[in-house]
Amino acid sequence: KQEVTQIPAALSVPEGENLVLNCSFTDSAIYNLQWFRQDPGKGLTSLLLIQSSQREQTSGRLNASLDKSSGRSTLYIAASQPGDSATYLCAVVGNYQLIWGAGTKLIIKP
Amino acid sequence: DGGITQSPKYLFRKEGQNVTLSCEQNLNHDAMYWYRQDPGQGLRLIYYSQIVNDFQKGDIAEGYSVSREKKESFPLTVTSAQKNPTAFYLCASSRDRGNTEAFFGQGTRLTVV
Repeated sequence: KQEVTQIPAALSVPEGENLVLNCSFTDSAIYNLQWFRQDPGKGLTSLLLIQSSQREQTSGRLNASLDKSSGRSTLYIAASQPGDSATYLCAVVGNYQLIWGAGTKLIIKP
Repeated sequence: DGGITQSPKYLFRKEGQNVTLSCEQNLNHDAMYWYRQDPGQGLRLIYYSQIVNDFQKGDIAEGYSVSREKKESFPLTVTSAQKNPTAFYLCASSRDRGNTEAFFGQGTRLTVV
């Protein structure tokens, strides 16, 4: 059974720092992996989608990588800003179902 | 603008009542999903639908029911059989149930009073 883990559960860093969020999964047979952002009390916003055949995707200051063999994905945020404060969730698609991590709550201190 | 609309944003339910959460999408997506989110946990799948007039149970379907009479709409009913319904409910859609990107509504927070 696929399990998705996100470590750490919470992270607080000063503004301007580059940071990495981690997502690990136990079954490498995935179709894709998505990173989402969730602001308090809000729905989820899709940030990046990486297909299983891809190694990384970039959008602005965000870069997501995927290593299926090791069961890992990272979300790199460059030059962090207070507006980046949110909970970041990763989800893997395997067997036509999204399996979710519990998220990393990120706080960027001004 | 294309997107997914959930209503209401906040909903209060008395013990023993059934309540229905609305989810509408104008993205022309075939697949729609309902998730439940509890603090500190990952999203859990309640029901999903791949096409009109078809839906399947997810991991925590007990105490919930759905319908998919129109492509655009996938309402979720929380019945009195759901013993712990207080949670944040999220609706999502994707072009199909394969490896395509999922899009989410803004959620409905249900509280039992």
